[in-house]
Amino acid sequence: QVQLVESGGGVVQPGRSLRLSCATSGFIFSNSAMHWVRQAPGKGLEWVAVIFNDGRTKFYADSVKGRFTISRDNTESTLYLQMTTLRVEDTAVYFCAKEKDGGWYQFDFWGQGTLVSVSS
Amino acid sequence: QSALTQPASVSGSPGQSITISCTGTSSDVGGYKYASWYQQHPGKAPKLMIYDVINRPSGVSNRFSGSQSGNTASLTISGLQPEDEADYYCTSYTTTGTLVFGIGTKVTVL
Repeated sequence: QVQLVESGGGVVQPGRSLRLSCATSGFIFSNSAMHWVRQAPGKGLEWVAVIFNDGRTKFYADSVKGRFTISRDNTESTLYLQMTTLRVEDTAVYFCAKEKDGGWYQFDFWGQGTLVSVSS
Repeated sequence: QSALTQPASVSGSPGQSITISCTGTSSDVGGYKYASWYQQHPGKAPKLMIYDVINRPSGVSNRFSGSQSGNTASLTISGLQPEDEADYYCTSYTTTGTLVFGIGTKVTVL
């Protein structure tokens, strides 16, 4: 069965960096575009970034562009999100999501999320 | 990219039908047939309910249906059941290669 497991969240001070990982199994990772979506406490969902299966094509939300970098290791079936210059407003649960086959920017599987808390 | 507009809350009695609207622009909802809908229960990951405007993933009840007219996508839940009480989010691909979510709608079963 498809599984996505995020890790790497925690408490970090403003201006510092953090790297999230999303370990996957149960599907052909190298065939799927992958996304990060976040949800601030008590708030709605916010799309963060996408990386296509080739690992070269990437898009970012304006709120994280220039600070966050999405990447993937197709040999390890793992997705990453490198977050730098973190701000208080980046505090959220971060979900990784698998794009549905043939479903453009639509997600059929999600991880359970990892909490990032940015606070001094 | 501004969030898509959804009603903050919708409620209905068991067995009734409700519809949630999702309004965007010609740069997102109106420009594509990629609107999707997610259901999220508290503390859980979202679940895909509708994709490509009208399609239901395997395993999703046929009480859920989607439609679109111009810049507005809609989700209809027929025969409302207690387990349908959750937050619902629409999404759309955009012309800038990004994805935008709706602000979310809390569905209450009275």
